Amino acid sequence: DTAVSQTPKYLVTQMGNDKSIKCEQNLGHDTMYWYKQDSKKFLKIMFSYNNKELIINETVPNRFSPKSPDKAHLNLHINSLELGDSAVYFCASSQGTPTNTGELFFGEGSRLTVL
Amino acid sequence: LAKTTQPISMDSYEGQEVNITCSHNNIATNDYITWYQQFPSQGPRFIIQGYKTKVTNEVASLFIPADRKSSTLSLPRVSLSDTAVYYCLVGGGGSTLGRLYFGRGTQLTVWP
Repeated sequence: DTAVSQTPKYLVTQMGNDKSIKCEQNLGHDTMYWYKQDSKKFLKIMFSYNNKELIINETVPNRFSPKSPDKAHLNLHINSLELGDSAVYFCASSQGTPTNTGELFFGEGSRLTVL
Repeated sequence: LAKTTQPISMDSYEGQEVNITCSHNNIATNDYITWYQQFPSQGPRFIIQGYKTKVTNEVASLFIPADRKSSTLSLPRVSLSDTAVYYCLVGGGGSTLGRLYFGRGTQLTVWP
């Protein structure tokens, strides 16, 4: 079974549309993340949730809204898509300790192309 | 946040040992040093983590000097399948709990 799964794997859409990417982890981890990897392969953290609560928001535009219905799921909704949103979005999870984030387990990524 | 600096690219041949060094001059007391590997069209994968001295697992070793201002990932006897991007991360503890920032990474290419 896949530990961290994301859907869809590929997403092509027009500017101005709204789209969502779903993520599920079956590792029983408390913390989930969204990362964005741009065309230059720079991987940047966007959000982090711990037990359904937002703990990190790295100055991401308000058009991006994460939602965590339970600790196994973290979805990413993007409104009014722009060309610059084209990237690969990775979901990840971890089960750290109070002093160590621990190992991140990443999904396979969702490649978003905005035309 | 501790910034990391690592070579943009490295080349090696099959069977050789590869050492990738990462500089992190302003590492904080609570920061851990973690390395990830990423293949094309895949998410990063954890390789190894350390705090000080030397850590070894089944795939790599991590050498951290006493001042912790740098670290070296050592891959013994690389194969073609080790061609990937390797990221050095510093953080994940104390005030950076949950915050793991990836740098540009090092593109390692292994040749036959």
